[in-house]
Amino acid sequence: EIVLTQSPGTLSLSPGERATLSCRASQTVSSSYLAWYQQKPGQAPRLLIYGASTRATGIPDRFSGSGSGTDFTLTISRLEPEDFAVYYCQQYGSSPPKGIRFTFGPGTKVDIK
Amino acid sequence: EVQLVESGGGLVQPGGSLRLSCAASGFTFSNYSMHWVRQAPGKGLEWISYISDSSSTIYYADSVKGRFTISRDNAKNSLYLQMNSLRDEDTAVYYCARLRWLHFDYWGQGILVTVSS
Repeated sequence: EIVLTQSPGTLSLSPGERATLSCRASQTVSSSYLAWYQQKPGQAPRLLIYGASTRATGIPDRFSGSGSGTDFTLTISRLEPEDFAVYYCQQYGSSPPKGIRFTFGPGTKVDIK
Repeated sequence: EVQLVESGGGLVQPGGSLRLSCAASGFTFSNYSMHWVRQAPGKGLEWISYISDSSSTIYYADSVKGRFTISRDNAKNSLYLQMNSLRDEDTAVYYCARLRWLHFDYWGQGILVTVSS
């Protein structure tokens, strides 16, 4: 079973700064299977990026995703006040006979410095 | 507008049962597979169950297999999660989520289930 590791656990930055979040998989993951979500306190997760690099509908272009194989990155080019949140990566896996699995990383919290 | 609204949560004793519902609107429910994802207090996200659009295929995470049952009623645009033999570690916010390709594009607001004596 593929395990996702995210780093850093917490990223303390100021508005306007660039945020670089890492998601590393224990085995090779197809880029098609990698997504990123944003979650604010008391809210449901929100899809940001799917297919490793495609922004979801309505997501500002300051959010970008990249990577392949086992290493994926979410970049926020210039942090806005509303971007301070927890970010999760997620992958899809298939492992017969258990069937499909959806795995989330432990999350990276981006907080205000 | 796509909406997913969970209901049925609450406080239950260990060993007890609870049934969650998720009412869907704003899209053709019968065309999409649906999922339940949970989040323990202060913790990350955990996928727990999948049901295909026609209910023909169902999967569970190992943590709930044999205790939880997912189902759906396409005529009522509703998704369900029957939770039996509940444990303290099942305490979480439970989200229903729609799957598009291999990611979750819409989520409900979540419903809290607390297992405690």
